[in-house]
Amino acid sequence: NAGVTQTPKFRILKIGQSMTLQCTQDMNHNYMYWYRQDPGMGLKLIYYSVGAGITDKGEVPNGYNVSRSTTEDFPLRLELAAPSQTSVYFCASSPEVTDTQYFGPGTRLTVL
Amino acid sequence: AQSVTQPDIHITVSEGASLELRCNYSYGATPYLFWYVQSPGQGLQLLLKYFSGDTLVQGIKGFEAEFKRSQSSFNLRKPSVHWSDAAEYFCAVGAGDDKIIFGKGTRLHILP
Repeated sequence: NAGVTQTPKFRILKIGQSMTLQCTQDMNHNYMYWYRQDPGMGLKLIYYSVGAGITDKGEVPNGYNVSRSTTEDFPLRLELAAPSQTSVYFCASSPEVTDTQYFGPGTRLTVL
Repeated sequence: AQSVTQPDIHITVSEGASLELRCNYSYGATPYLFWYVQSPGQGLQLLLKYFSGDTLVQGIKGFEAEFKRSQSSFNLRKPSVHWSDAAEYFCAVGAGDDKIIFGKGTRLHILP
């Protein structure tokens, strides 16, 4: 099993550009999460999903959108990139909310 | 809504010394609690978790944590640290609404 994969690993965007961060898991997990990590701030939950077709906002959803059309994929969309979105983004999945979350390797995004 | 506090941003201990990392949560009922570790440039890995039963939980790499309802705490301990334990440690709490909220993390430094 590959676990949780994220692409790309690194990306530089210009202000106002858009992009999609990809996340795929091959463990048939129901729950998937997107976090951003900023120095000294820990992980902040952006969006989460409890199954295909079901998504909900986390702590910091503004400026982001998600979809969950399949169990495996949970892409994160940035429509109008802003410097405040410079961060490291982690995707995670788990079978149930009380279970271990398995994290991807992260995407380092810089917006200039 | 649930919240979690890690009071110590940095902790330095000597190799072989004991370790305790603090975690306090805010939630009315019994939460589910996690400790994760992040090595530099890596994703997060689960050390241990609690959601019911014995309040003293054993984890991987020789770590343990104790859930104390009266103090709203879930402190992480290790009797003797190794240089390889240098990393950032995150406490996380879930409260029955499908979200997991992470603390800001404690960075552990090990003196030789």
